[in-house]
Amino acid sequence: EVQLVESGGALIQPGGSLRLSCIASGFTFNSFEMNWVRQAPGKGLEWISHIRSSGDPKQYADSVKGRFTISRDNAKKSVDLHMTGLRVEDTAVYYCARSWGYGSFDYWGQGTVVTVSS
Amino acid sequence: SYVLTQPPSVSVAPGKSAKISCGGNNIERKNVHWYQQKPGQAPVLVVYDDTDRPSGIPERFSGSNSGNTATLTISRVEAGDEADYYCHVWDSGSDHPYVFGTGTKVTV
Repeated sequence: EVQLVESGGALIQPGGSLRLSCIASGFTFNSFEMNWVRQAPGKGLEWISHIRSSGDPKQYADSVKGRFTISRDNAKKSVDLHMTGLRVEDTAVYYCARSWGYGSFDYWGQGTVVTVSS
Repeated sequence: SYVLTQPPSVSVAPGKSAKISCGGNNIERKNVHWYQQKPGQAPVLVVYDDTDRPSGIPERFSGSNSGNTATLTISRVEAGDEADYYCHVWDSGSDHPYVFGTGTKVTV
């Protein structure tokens, strides 16, 4: 059974840093591209970052470019999101999701909550 | 970047059909995917590549894509279909390759 489990969400002050992690199981992790998607309270889905199976290239939404960094460790079957310079508007549920086929996201984690507030 | 527009809400009676539109420039040239999201839960893929269903998704969910509009149709709607629905495309040539629609709340 495919599983994605996120962790690392927290309440953090503006300007702070946080690292989210997503641990995968049930599939050949190093064969799949991975993504982070977020959802602000009461809002829609926003794709924020993508990483190829090899680790490069990486892509980011404009809203996080230069502040967030995606990485993966295929040996540990994990994909991380290192977030710096956090802003109030980064408050959201953060999901990791597996890419499949022509750009669909076929499996999602349960999400981890990041709250940026003073 | 590419923009996908959905109606904010659709209301449907049980047993009837619901159609959710997703508008985008020449969207017929792209592979469109659809997700269902119930409150407090992660999204679930219900249609991929315009018309295909993942295993376990009922045949009541179907998709189409033509011109500037893709459509998700839910036939014989049940109370359990009440959820938010998002369309999604892969804009492969873009620096912002993954785009979600604005979302549609389906009320049964």
